[in-house]
Amino acid sequence: DAGITQSPRHKVTETGTPVTLRCHQTENHRYMYWYRQDPGHGLRLIHYSYGVKDTDKGEVSDGYSVSRSKTEDFLLTLESATSSQTSVYFCAISEKEEVRGPIGAFFGQGTRLTVV
Amino acid sequence: AQTVTQSQPEMSVQEAETVTLSCTYDTSESDYYLFWYKQPPSRQMILVIRQEAYKQQNATENRFSVNFQKAAKSFSLKISDSQLGDAAMYFCAYHNAGKSTFGDGTTLTVKP
Repeated sequence: DAGITQSPRHKVTETGTPVTLRCHQTENHRYMYWYRQDPGHGLRLIHYSYGVKDTDKGEVSDGYSVSRSKTEDFLLTLESATSSQTSVYFCAISEKEEVRGPIGAFFGQGTRLTVV
Repeated sequence: AQTVTQSQPEMSVQEAETVTLSCTYDTSESDYYLFWYKQPPSRQMILVIRQEAYKQQNATENRFSVNFQKAAKSFSLKISDSQLGDAAMYFCAYHNAGKSTFGDGTTLTVKP
């Protein structure tokens, strides 16, 4: 199994508070991604990174920011959490990317975030 | 915008039998990638199989194979000799030009 660790695995937070989720990899893969998974929507890309300090927005990036200061860590921050951001968040890593998509991405175990 | 449709919210199969999960997609692109992912109750997403659109040959990984029909924009997953451990939610996914689109998933139950 690919070495991907998401933390925390579960979190409950209050509306308006900032929240940071961490994705840590031991595979030295260049590409890292954050997705959210909601019933009826499948997985949707929030942000992705194609190298240290190189990030770009996905299709549902509003209200989220990311940072990647080293290869192994990719942080997702909810600047001011809202109830609509209650979801399961998945991190993914990929060694290769062609036509700017994750090829054979490996996913983490997910983080269940509840905003009350 | 690309869309991915999995028309079967739930499927069931008898252990050792074969089951096929359907996936259709909509795109105007000619070069793209298609994936099937498995998500067991642990919620970890696991890559099952992938297909490059420029390859005519259908991808195969052990008991898993796909039927890729590019003109029809169809990408079905066949699981042969189903095992209890195959029970999970399966997601079809399309990737192109920085955009990843997933279907809503099909929950597969395997009956002993």
